[in-house]
Amino acid sequence: GAGVSQSPSNKVTEKGKDVELRCDPISGHTALYWYRQRLGQGLEFLIYFQGNSAPDKSGLPSDRFSAERTGESVSTLTIQRTQQEDSAVYLCASSIPGLAVSAGELFFGEGSRLTVL
Amino acid sequence: AQSVTQLDSQVPVFEEAPVELRCNYSSSVSVYLFWYVQYPNQGLQLLLKYLSGSTLVKGINGFEAEFNKSQTSFHLRKPSVHISDTAEYFCAVSEYPTALIFGKGTTLSVSS
Repeated sequence: GAGVSQSPSNKVTEKGKDVELRCDPISGHTALYWYRQRLGQGLEFLIYFQGNSAPDKSGLPSDRFSAERTGESVSTLTIQRTQQEDSAVYLCASSIPGLAVSAGELFFGEGSRLTVL
Repeated sequence: AQSVTQLDSQVPVFEEAPVELRCNYSSSVSVYLFWYVQYPNQGLQLLLKYLSGSTLVKGINGFEAEFNKSQTSFHLRKPSVHISDTAEYFCAVSEYPTALIFGKGTTLSVSS
């Protein structure tokens, strides 16, 4: 696609429910990132996928958070048993390796705003 | 592991005044440094980056940043700001091949 696409753009859920957030990266971008942006906070790194390498999951805040990526395409971030502190904008970004980390040109989606009541 | 500290959470300035947004990083190896900008109700976009070479880096919209290895800093500057520069600015660091790590951001508010 023309840009990084994320869905849903807004999600309101009740505490304890599971949610799935989807990211469709730019075609050909093998690197994919998930970040979390809570109100008044910076971008908190969650997980990084690079091609067929094992993902860097070092930023996932708890075992309620998981993410998958199918090949070099769509990624899904799943939050189980949501808590109010999970409320945030979840941002996905993609890039081309070699341009990715060494050049830092991440292309961001518009984000999925999650509100946990 | 690398980390980024943005020393000012909010910077209010008047139009046409100079501005400096401060960023310090922590890393044990060579790093790549970036500034991203997020305008109101828009996504993040790359403002400028330092990979190697000249320590003074120029970016879009008249911004520039200087890499100072001895002080582990990468401060962002603009000699004369406009109302349209009002945005959230994020400093980021990367230790290849790991992920890009962002600071907490600095809100630049430009008023007339």
